Amino acid sequence: GQNIDQPTEMTATEGAIVQINCTYQTSGFNGLFWYQQHAGEAPTFLSYNVLDGLEEKGRFSSFLSRSKGYSYLLLKELQMKDSASYLCAVRVHNTDKLIFGTGTRLQVFP
Amino acid sequence: GAVVSQHPSRVICKSGTSVKIECRSLDFQATTMFWYRQFPKQSLMLMATSNEGSKATYEQGVEKDKFLINHASLTLSTLTVTSAHPEDSSFYICSAPERRGNYGYTFGSGTRLTVV
Repeated sequence: GQNIDQPTEMTATEGAIVQINCTYQTSGFNGLFWYQQHAGEAPTFLSYNVLDGLEEKGRFSSFLSRSKGYSYLLLKELQMKDSASYLCAVRVHNTDKLIFGTGTRLQVFP
Repeated sequence: GAVVSQHPSRVICKSGTSVKIECRSLDFQATTMFWYRQFPKQSLMLMATSNEGSKATYEQGVEKDKFLINHASLTLSTLTVTSAHPEDSSFYICSAPERRGNYGYTFGSGTRLTVV
């Protein structure tokens, strides 16, 4: 089966840094994606990791450790507009299926 | 970039009726389309995978007779919610894998279904 876990909710202050963790146990792995989603909208792509290590993209960075089944999304210099849900998703090897984690609702306060 | 157009964006229907949701790939051929459902404050749950020219495959626990999926062409996949009930009210969204770049995914804009 597939098990992808994230904290349900997180809060942070404008200008701060927040780390959202994702742990996964899936039947095959072929990459991990992070998405941002506002209520009632489609997910927006943030980052992709398929090899171990850190991928940096402006204010957003994502880390992957395949041996530990672990990833995190790091958001720096938080802005109010970063208040949203953040979803990690694993692509299952040999199927193209994208399985989403439980999702984390982030609230940024002034 | 790749675009998937999803319609309708919102629909309200009466219990017992059927609703069809369409996803069209506008500038690429989508041989595969994934269909997800999302309840409020929850994540996306994969319902089924449609493949052009063959039967859809459903995830465990998803009723294939209730959620009819058709993928008759390389640019159109449809999901029909049959005999809808209030508990089917949800956000439905489609996604097609891209065959370039990071081999990511293009999402439709989603359909908010309300069954009354």
